[in-house]
Amino acid sequence: EVQLLESGGGLVQPGGSLRLSCAASGFTFSSYAMTWVRQAPGKGLEWVSVISGSAGTTYYADSVKGRFTISRDSSKNTLYLQMNSLRAEDTAVYYCAKKDSIAVAGTPFDYWGQGTLVTVSS
Amino acid sequence: EIVLTQSPDFQSVTPKEKVTITCRASQSIGSSVHWYQQKPDQSPKLLIKYVSQSISGVPSRFSGSGSGTDFTLTINSLEAEDAAAYYCHQSSSFPWTFGQGTKVEIK
Repeated sequence: EVQLLESGGGLVQPGGSLRLSCAASGFTFSSYAMTWVRQAPGKGLEWVSVISGSAGTTYYADSVKGRFTISRDSSKNTLYLQMNSLRAEDTAVYYCAKKDSIAVAGTPFDYWGQGTLVTVSS
Repeated sequence: EIVLTQSPDFQSVTPKEKVTITCRASQSIGSSVHWYQQKPDQSPKLLIKYVSQSISGVPSRFSGSGSGTDFTLTINSLEAEDAAAYYCHQSSSFPWTFGQGTKVEIK
């Protein structure tokens, strides 16, 4: 059974940093691209970033480019999102999701974690 | 950026009714269109992939269709458990985008 468990969320001041983790199990982690999607309170879904199975390819939404870094450690079956220079508008539940292909392009997100809440406020 | 516009934003429906949700793209996006269901306080779940392909475990009353810029999610014979928000999503070009969502309420 595929399981994705996010952690690392919390309250952080504007300008601060946070690192989210997503522990994956139930599938061959290195064979699938992984992504982060966020949802501001009461709002819709916003794609944040994606990384290929080999970690050789990454893409970011313009809203986070230069501030967030996606990475993965296949030895730990874990996906990460390093978030720097956080802003109030980054406040959201952050979901990790598995793509149904090793490549980043075209494929849907076939499994999602339960999410972790990030609150950016002074 | 490809903008996806869903309609309606909200729909209140009686059980066994048919529900149709449309998703219009600002430009042609081929077949990389997917639909997700998000029930209250839950994470999203993949319902339909590549416009019309069914997903194992998803009830057959859910179906998708469309091409070019216009896509549709249909729920035949709505059940109480289908109360949720529904989102279309395109992975045709970066940045990937979602529709604003359609909330379906059961009368």
